[in-house]
Amino acid sequence: AQKITQTQPGMFVQEKEAVTLDCTYDTSDPSYGLFWYKQPSSGEMIFLIYQGSYDQQNATEGRYSLNFQKARKSANLVISASQLGDSAMYFCAMREGSGGYQKVTFGIGTKLQVIP
Amino acid sequence: EAQVTQNPRYLITVTGKKLTVTCSQNMNHEYMSWYRQDPGLGLRQIYYSMNVEVTDKGDVPEGYKVSRKEKRNFPLILESPSPNQTSLYFCASSLSHPRQDEQYFGPGTRLTVT
Repeated sequence: AQKITQTQPGMFVQEKEAVTLDCTYDTSDPSYGLFWYKQPSSGEMIFLIYQGSYDQQNATEGRYSLNFQKARKSANLVISASQLGDSAMYFCAMREGSGGYQKVTFGIGTKLQVIP
Repeated sequence: EAQVTQNPRYLITVTGKKLTVTCSQNMNHEYMSWYRQDPGLGLRQIYYSMNVEVTDKGDVPEGYKVSRKEKRNFPLILESPSPNQTSLYFCASSLSHPRQDEQYFGPGTRLTVT
Protein backbone atom coordinates (compact mmCIF):
# COMPACT_ATOMS: atom_id res chain seq x y z
CA ALA A 1 0.00 0.00 0.00
CA GLN A 2 1.11 3.54 -0.68
CA LYS A 3 2.27 5.25 2.47
CA ILE A 4 1.22 8.69 1.25
CA THR A 5 -1.54 9.13 -1.29
CA GLN A 6 -2.33 12.37 -3.05
CA THR A 7 -5.17 11.71 -5.46
CA GLN A 8 -5.42 15.13 -7.11
CA PRO A 9 -2.78 15.51 -9.82
CA GLY A 10 -3.96 19.03 -10.55
CA MET A 11 -6.28 21.59 -9.01
CA PHE A 12 -7.56 24.99 -10.06
CA VAL A 13 -8.78 27.62 -7.64
CA GLN A 14 -10.00 31.16 -8.10
CA GLU A 15 -7.93 33.85 -6.50
CA LYS A 16 -9.16 34.69 -2.96
CA GLU A 17 -11.03 31.42 -2.67
CA ALA A 18 -10.12 28.59 -0.30
CA VAL A 19 -8.82 25.25 -1.58
CA THR A 20 -8.29 21.85 0.02
CA LEU A 21 -5.52 19.52 -1.09
CA ASP A 22 -6.07 15.92 -0.10
CA CYS A 23 -3.60 13.60 1.56
CA THR A 24 -4.11 10.19 3.10
CA TYR A 25 -1.42 8.17 4.81
CA ASP A 26 -0.79 4.66 5.96
CA THR A 27 1.35 3.68 8.93
CA SER A 28 1.26 1.32 11.86
CA ASP A 29 3.73 3.42 13.82
CA PRO A 30 2.03 5.31 16.68
CA SER A 31 4.58 8.12 16.47
CA TYR A 32 4.68 9.99 13.19
CA GLY A 33 4.67 13.48 11.77
CA LEU A 34 2.89 14.85 8.75
CA PHE A 35 4.25 17.71 6.68
CA TRP A 36 3.26 19.78 3.72
CA TYR A 37 5.81 21.33 1.41
CA LYS A 38 5.41 23.74 -1.48
CA GLN A 39 7.57 23.60 -4.58
CA PRO A 40 7.21 26.60 -6.88
CA SER A 41 8.39 26.48 -10.46
CA SER A 42 11.80 27.72 -9.31
CA GLY A 43 12.31 24.32 -7.72
CA GLU A 44 13.03 24.96 -4.05
CA MET A 45 11.20 23.03 -1.35
CA ILE A 46 9.39 25.26 1.14
CA PHE A 47 8.06 23.94 4.43
CA LEU A 48 4.46 24.96 5.10
CA ILE A 49 3.02 23.13 8.07
CA TYR A 50 3.49 20.21 10.45
CA GLN A 51 1.12 17.95 12.40
CA GLY A 52 2.29 15.43 14.97
CA SER A 53 0.42 12.20 15.52
CA TYR A 54 -0.19 13.05 19.17
CA ASP A 55 -1.26 16.63 18.56
CA GLN A 56 -4.81 17.20 19.70
CA GLN A 57 -5.47 20.30 17.66
CA ASN A 58 -5.19 20.88 13.95
CA ALA A 59 -2.08 22.80 12.98
CA THR A 60 -2.36 26.29 11.51
CA GLU A 61 0.26 28.57 9.99
CA GLY A 62 -1.11 31.81 8.64
CA ARG A 63 -3.29 30.98 5.62
CA TYR A 64 -2.43 27.29 5.88
CA SER A 65 -4.24 24.83 8.06
CA LEU A 66 -4.04 21.09 8.27
CA ASN A 67 -7.28 19.17 8.63
CA PHE A 68 -6.04 16.16 10.59
CA GLN A 69 -8.45 13.26 10.88
CA LYS A 70 -6.49 10.52 12.60
CA ALA A 71 -9.12 7.80 12.41
CA ARG A 72 -9.47 8.31 8.70
CA LYS A 73 -5.69 8.72 8.27
CA SER A 74 -6.08 11.93 6.38
CA ALA A 75 -4.09 15.16 6.59
CA ASN A 76 -5.59 17.59 4.12
CA LEU A 77 -4.04 21.00 3.55
CA VAL A 78 -6.41 23.94 3.45
CA ILE A 79 -5.21 27.18 1.89
CA SER A 80 -7.48 30.11 2.60
CA ALA A 81 -7.72 33.24 0.45
CA SER A 82 -5.62 31.85 -2.40
CA GLN A 83 -3.07 34.13 -4.01
CA LEU A 84 -1.42 33.95 -7.41
CA GLY A 85 1.84 33.12 -5.67
CA ASP A 86 0.28 29.94 -4.30
CA SER A 87 0.51 28.36 -7.75
CA ALA A 88 2.97 25.51 -7.22
CA MET A 89 3.35 21.80 -6.57
CA TYR A 90 2.33 20.73 -3.09
CA PHE A 91 3.70 17.64 -1.44
CA CYS A 92 2.41 15.80 1.59
CA ALA A 93 5.03 13.86 3.55
CA MET A 94 5.18 11.58 6.56
CA ARG A 95 8.02 10.96 8.95
CA GLU A 96 7.74 7.66 10.82
CA GLY A 97 9.53 6.33 13.82
CA SER A 98 11.58 7.78 16.62
CA GLY A 99 14.99 7.27 18.06
CA GLY A 100 17.21 5.47 15.61
CA TYR A 101 14.70 4.95 12.84
CA GLN A 102 13.09 7.81 11.00
CA LYS A 103 12.11 7.35 7.39
CA VAL A 104 10.36 10.01 5.36
CA THR A 105 7.88 9.31 2.58
CA PHE A 106 6.50 11.87 0.16
CA GLY A 107 3.38 11.76 -1.95
CA ILE A 108 3.51 12.37 -5.69
CA GLY A 109 2.22 15.88 -5.31
CA THR A 110 -0.67 18.08 -6.42
CA LYS A 111 -0.18 20.89 -8.88
CA LEU A 112 -2.22 23.90 -7.82
CA GLN A 113 -2.98 26.70 -10.20
CA VAL A 114 -4.56 29.91 -8.94
CA ILE A 115 -6.68 31.71 -11.52
CA PRO A 116 -6.97 35.51 -11.42
CA GLU B 1 22.41 32.41 7.27
CA ALA B 2 21.03 28.96 8.04
CA GLN B 3 21.24 26.87 4.91
CA VAL B 4 21.87 23.58 3.19
CA THR B 5 24.27 23.77 0.28
CA GLN B 6 24.72 21.26 -2.51
CA ASN B 7 27.37 21.06 -5.18
CA PRO B 8 27.32 20.88 -8.07
CA ARG B 9 23.94 22.32 -8.98
CA TYR B 10 24.05 20.83 -12.46
CA LEU B 11 26.03 17.85 -13.69
CA ILE B 12 26.14 15.97 -16.96
CA THR B 13 28.19 12.81 -16.90
CA VAL B 14 28.61 9.51 -18.69
CA THR B 15 27.64 6.03 -17.65
CA GLY B 16 30.11 4.46 -15.23
CA LYS B 17 32.05 7.55 -14.26
CA LYS B 18 32.07 7.84 -10.47
CA LEU B 19 30.72 11.06 -9.06
CA THR B 20 30.04 12.68 -5.70
CA VAL B 21 27.42 15.28 -4.88
CA THR B 22 28.30 17.18 -1.75
CA CYS B 23 25.86 18.39 0.87
CA SER B 24 26.66 20.62 3.80
CA GLN B 25 24.52 22.25 6.50
CA ASN B 26 25.41 24.93 9.03
CA MET B 27 22.58 24.39 11.52
CA ASN B 28 24.17 21.64 13.62
CA HIS B 29 21.40 19.28 12.58
CA GLU B 30 21.68 15.62 13.46
CA TYR B 31 19.38 14.29 10.74
CA MET B 32 20.36 14.49 7.08
CA SER B 33 18.79 12.86 4.08
CA TRP B 34 19.01 12.50 0.33
CA TYR B 35 16.03 12.40 -2.04
CA ARG B 36 15.55 12.06 -5.72
CA GLN B 37 12.67 13.69 -7.51
CA ASP B 38 11.28 12.27 -10.72
CA PRO B 39 8.19 13.42 -12.65
CA GLY B 40 5.06 11.69 -11.43
CA LEU B 41 6.87 10.00 -8.54
CA GLY B 42 7.35 12.81 -6.05
CA LEU B 43 10.40 12.72 -3.83
CA ARG B 44 11.83 9.38 -2.81
CA GLN B 45 14.25 8.95 0.03
CA ILE B 46 17.58 7.40 -0.93
CA TYR B 47 19.51 7.37 2.36
CA TYR B 48 19.28 9.13 5.65
CA SER B 49 21.58 9.65 8.59
CA MET B 50 20.59 10.10 12.20
CA ASN B 51 24.03 11.34 13.24
CA VAL B 52 27.74 10.94 12.56
CA GLU B 53 28.58 7.40 11.42
CA VAL B 54 24.88 6.42 11.51
CA THR B 55 23.25 5.92 8.12
CA ASP B 56 20.32 3.88 6.89
CA LYS B 57 18.60 3.04 3.63
CA GLY B 58 15.56 4.86 2.41
CA ASP B 59 13.22 3.53 -0.24
CA VAL B 60 15.56 3.67 -3.26
CA PRO B 61 19.15 3.08 -2.10
CA GLU B 62 20.33 0.89 -4.99
CA GLY B 63 23.24 2.39 -6.87
CA TYR B 64 24.05 4.99 -4.22
CA LYS B 65 26.40 5.27 -1.28
CA VAL B 66 26.63 7.82 1.50
CA SER B 67 28.93 8.61 4.36
CA ARG B 68 28.62 10.78 7.46
CA LYS B 69 32.08 11.39 8.84
CA GLU B 70 31.26 14.90 10.06
CA LYS B 71 28.00 16.24 11.37
CA ARG B 72 27.73 19.00 8.78
CA ASN B 73 28.48 16.95 5.65
CA PHE B 74 26.57 14.15 3.96
CA PRO B 75 27.91 13.38 0.47
CA LEU B 76 26.04 11.22 -2.02
CA ILE B 77 28.25 8.92 -4.07
CA LEU B 78 27.34 7.25 -7.34
CA GLU B 79 30.06 4.66 -7.92
CA SER B 80 28.91 3.71 -11.42
CA PRO B 81 26.13 6.02 -12.58
CA SER B 82 23.56 4.76 -15.04
CA PRO B 83 21.00 6.64 -17.16
CA ASN B 84 18.18 5.65 -14.78
CA GLN B 85 19.87 7.77 -12.14
CA THR B 86 19.18 10.89 -14.18
CA SER B 87 17.11 12.92 -11.75
CA LEU B 88 16.84 15.97 -9.53
CA TYR B 89 18.51 15.33 -6.18
CA PHE B 90 17.79 17.10 -2.93
CA CYS B 91 19.70 17.02 0.31
CA ALA B 92 17.85 17.96 3.50
CA SER B 93 18.60 18.30 7.18
CA SER B 94 16.67 18.65 10.42
CA LEU B 95 16.88 18.11 14.13
CA SER B 96 16.61 14.46 15.05
CA HIS B 97 13.69 14.40 17.41
CA PRO B 98 10.44 13.61 15.63
CA ARG B 99 8.36 16.54 16.74
CA GLN B 100 8.12 19.79 14.84
CA ASP B 101 11.33 19.17 12.96
CA GLU B 102 10.82 20.45 9.48
CA GLN B 103 13.47 19.54 7.00
CA TYR B 104 15.54 22.26 5.43
CA PHE B 105 16.22 21.48 1.81
CA GLY B 106 19.17 22.32 -0.35
CA PRO B 107 18.62 23.94 -3.76
CA GLY B 108 18.82 20.65 -5.65
CA THR B 109 21.30 19.04 -8.05
CA ARG B 110 20.14 18.20 -11.53
CA LEU B 111 22.05 15.15 -12.72
CA THR B 112 22.02 13.81 -16.26
CA VAL B 113 23.73 10.50 -17.02
CA THR B 114 24.22 9.76 -20.71
